[in-house]
Amino acid sequence: ETGVTQTPRHLVMGMTNKKSLKCEQHLGHNAMYWYKQSAKKPLELMFVYSLEERVENNSVPSRFSPECPNSSHLFLHLHTLQPEDSALYLCASSQGTGFSQPQHFGDGTRLSIL
Amino acid sequence: AQSVAQPEDQVNVAEGNPLTVKCTYSVSGNPYLFWYVQYPNRGLQFLLKYITGDNLVKGSYGFEAEFNKSQTSFHLKKPSALVSDSALYFCAVRAYGQNFVFGPGTRLSVLP
Repeated sequence: ETGVTQTPRHLVMGMTNKKSLKCEQHLGHNAMYWYKQSAKKPLELMFVYSLEERVENNSVPSRFSPECPNSSHLFLHLHTLQPEDSALYLCASSQGTGFSQPQHFGDGTRLSIL
Repeated sequence: AQSVAQPEDQVNVAEGNPLTVKCTYSVSGNPYLFWYVQYPNRGLQFLLKYITGDNLVKGSYGFEAEFNKSQTSFHLKKPSALVSDSALYFCAVRAYGQNFVFGPGTRLSVLP
C-alpha cells in the first residue's frame, strides 16, 4: 500500500544537525499522525493533526516540531536530537479522528543519531 | 486509562497449522479493537477491526478475530498459517474520544 509516503526512508544525523521528515498521503484523509517506534517498546503517539490543526501533543520534547501545511502533507522538524531519539518514525493518516476509522501507515523513516 | 497486552513476545507455528495471536485490553466504555501487521522495513498495515455487532470479525489475508467481552480479549486467528504470514502483529484499542493505544507486538514465525 503506497497511500502514505514517507521520505527519507533512512536518515543519519549528528546531535547538532537540523533535518526534517516528510509525509504525504494520497488517500483524501483529513487527519495525520506521527508515531515513534523503538525496539522493545509499544508505539508512541507523538502528534495528531485534524483538519491541519494540532489536536494532541503527547508531551513530546520541543526538539521535535511538527508542521501540517495542508491535509496531505505533514512534516517533523528535528534539531539537537539525542541518541535515545534513534528510532523508526511512522506517519499515519485517517479519515477523521473518529473512533471507528483505522489508520493507514507509511513505511517510516529510520532515524539514527550519532 | 486504556491499555493493551499481548502476552506472547513470540509465537511459532508450523505451516498449515492454525495460528492464534493473543490480545487482552482494558478500557473504560465500549472498546474499538484493531489488528495491524508489520513486515520487515515496512509500516503497519490494517488487518481488521471490531466496532460492534458480530463477535467474529473477518479481515484481510484470511485472518479473523474473536471479540470476547467477558474475557476482555480480541485474539487474532487463522485456520491455516503460511510462511508469508511471518511478521510482527499489533493489537490496538480505542475508546470513544481517545487515541489509539497499541500493544507491544507479537512476532509470529511460521515454519515451513
